Parts: sequence; structure tokens; C-alpha cells
Amino acid sequence: TQLLEQSPQFLSIQEGENLTVYCNSSSVFSSLQWYRQEPGEGPVLLVTVVTGGEVKKLKRLTFQFGDARKDSSLHITAAQPGDTGLYLCAGGRNNNDMRFGAGTRLTVKP
Amino acid sequence: GAVVSQHPSWVICKSGTSVKIECRSLDFQATTMFWYRQFPKQSLMLMATSNEGSKATYEQGVEKDKFLINHASLTLSTLTVTSAHPEDSSFYICSARGARGSAFFGQGTRLTVV
Repeated sequence: TQLLEQSPQFLSIQEGENLTVYCNSSSVFSSLQWYRQEPGEGPVLLVTVVTGGEVKKLKRLTFQFGDARKDSSLHITAAQPGDTGLYLCAGGRNNNDMRFGAGTRLTVKP
Repeated sequence: GAVVSQHPSWVICKSGTSVKIECRSLDFQATTMFWYRQFPKQSLMLMATSNEGSKATYEQGVEKDKFLINHASLTLSTLTVTSAHPEDSSFYICSARGARGSAFFGQGTRLTVV
């Protein structure tokens, strides 16, 4: 079993719709990161959440860290075709550990 | 964000040869570097974690004699795939973490063993 369970694995929506991606674990994390990856490239860091209950916004993206620091969500408002990509959450139990969820492959159709 | 440079971006090698992949943090000191392997349409699987000046810690199932990792300085880590075989063909990605805690990724290396 993976340390981080990410859902859904695949999501195909129309332009303008909203969506939420979830990242859950039974472990407590000191921080969680969200990345976006394009085919053939390395993941690009979107945000790091550190404090339980924290909410961070990045334009149309809203990230939330659970109060217990075991889960996180990514919400995208009014999705655009440019949002298409693989979204990954990552976290570690300590500084020498960083593992990824299975990823959510998002397709936004024009 | 911080810059991590991975080289080469792609490499084709003959079966039985060794390939070295470099990962450099260009504008920060990376106390920890991570090496991942990614198969098509899948997520990143952690292979090993290395701290500068220490031996790498390998994940279960990853052969340390086949995937040699060196982290000799705070800005450079290398992964050498020794005696490569076609089943080693994959996308290899490194990430570097500095004092701030966030990890940044290189652009990846696509290895094809023929």
C-alpha cells in the first residue's frame, strides 16, 4: 500500500468546471507538497502546506491541509485546458523521506 | 522556485554498459537528494535518498550495486546505472531539498537500453 492515497486517479472534465483532488494518509506529515507534471518533464512544485488547517491559494487553485496533517486537497475553479496534466501530492515522515501519491491525471476539454 | 539541473535529458546505451546521470542544485545547497524512477503513466517511485557525504539509503527492492548513488557535495548527486539492461529503460528523476524543506525536481532523464 502507498503511504499517500490520491484520488481520483483519472479525471476528464469540460472547460469551466470545478474539480477537487484528494490526498489521504494514515500518517502525519510535517508538510505536504503538490506538484504538477507534464509528459517527459520533471514535476513542478505548486505549493507546500505546513500548518494543520492551512489554506493556500494560487490563482484558481486552492490547497488545503487537514487539521490533523494527514490529508490535503487541491481544488481548481473554472478549469482550463492549460490545467491538463498529472497532479501529484508528496510528503515525508521526516526530512530524509519524500514519497508520492499515485497521481491524478487531469484532462480539461475545451 | 529553486533550480535543479539534471543531465543528460535522454540517453541511449547498449545493453551491458553503464550510464551516469547527474543532478545539480544550481542556486541552493541540497542537503538531501532523492532519486526516482517513473514508468509510463505512473507516479514516481522512490529509489533512494542520499545526504551529502553519507551513503545512500535504498528502498526495498532497489539493488544498490546496480544503481550507484554518489552525493559528494551539497550541489551534486550522481546515479550510475551499471550493466544496464533493457528492463532498466525508464524515466529517472532527481529532486533536491535544501534547508527550506521544499524539494525541487530536475527535468528527468529518459534512459533507453538497446
